[in-house]
Amino acid sequence: EDQVTQSPEALRLQEGESSSLNCSYTVSGLRGLFWYRQDPGKGPEFLFTLYSAGEEKEKERLKATLTKKESFLHITAPKPEDSATYLCAVQASGNKLVFGAGTILRVKS
Amino acid sequence: KAGVTQTPRYLIKTRGQQVTLSCSPISGHRSVSWYQQTPGQGLQFLFEYFSETQRNKGNFPGRFSGRQFSNSRSEMNVSTLELGDSALYLCASSRSGETQYFGPGTRLLVL
Repeated sequence: EDQVTQSPEALRLQEGESSSLNCSYTVSGLRGLFWYRQDPGKGPEFLFTLYSAGEEKEKERLKATLTKKESFLHITAPKPEDSATYLCAVQASGNKLVFGAGTILRVKS
Repeated sequence: KAGVTQTPRYLIKTRGQQVTLSCSPISGHRSVSWYQQTPGQGLQFLFEYFSETQRNKGNFPGRFSGRQFSNSRSEMNVSTLELGDSALYLCASSRSGETQYFGPGTRLLVL
């Protein structure tokens, strides 16, 4: 059964304090790994898709990387507006996404 | 380009009633997937429709059903509502199933 585990569950950072979120997965036949950001009361907002080990993608202060067993979302010099829940999901057979529980990030100024 | 829209945004129902939720995908997207989000279970896949056909189904009881119309708009129906059906129901669209873009969700409260 496909499984996604995210850590930590919650992370509190000071503005400018860089850190990483982890997403470990077990899946047979990974077709894609996705990162989303979700603000309270809203739907998930797409950030990145990674397809193969070694792939990296960047967007502003965020950088996502992928290995054969896990993905990292690196946040460089975060700002308070980066506060959100970050969700990781894998896509294997069919097109359904299997999500992790998410990491709640709080950035204080 | 307009994003995924969902209506209504909020619903309050009582146990035993049924409810229909609507989703309009991004223009040009033919795949629509539905997910249920609760604090305890997180985001869970309900089903996916592509070109008016159900292509994938999650592990939910038959009370949960859906359909897709020729213009790719989709509806989800839940019959005989239970308290545990209270959740945020999210719709996501994609061209054919790869990167999925989510709507704002419909928050359903069952009393």
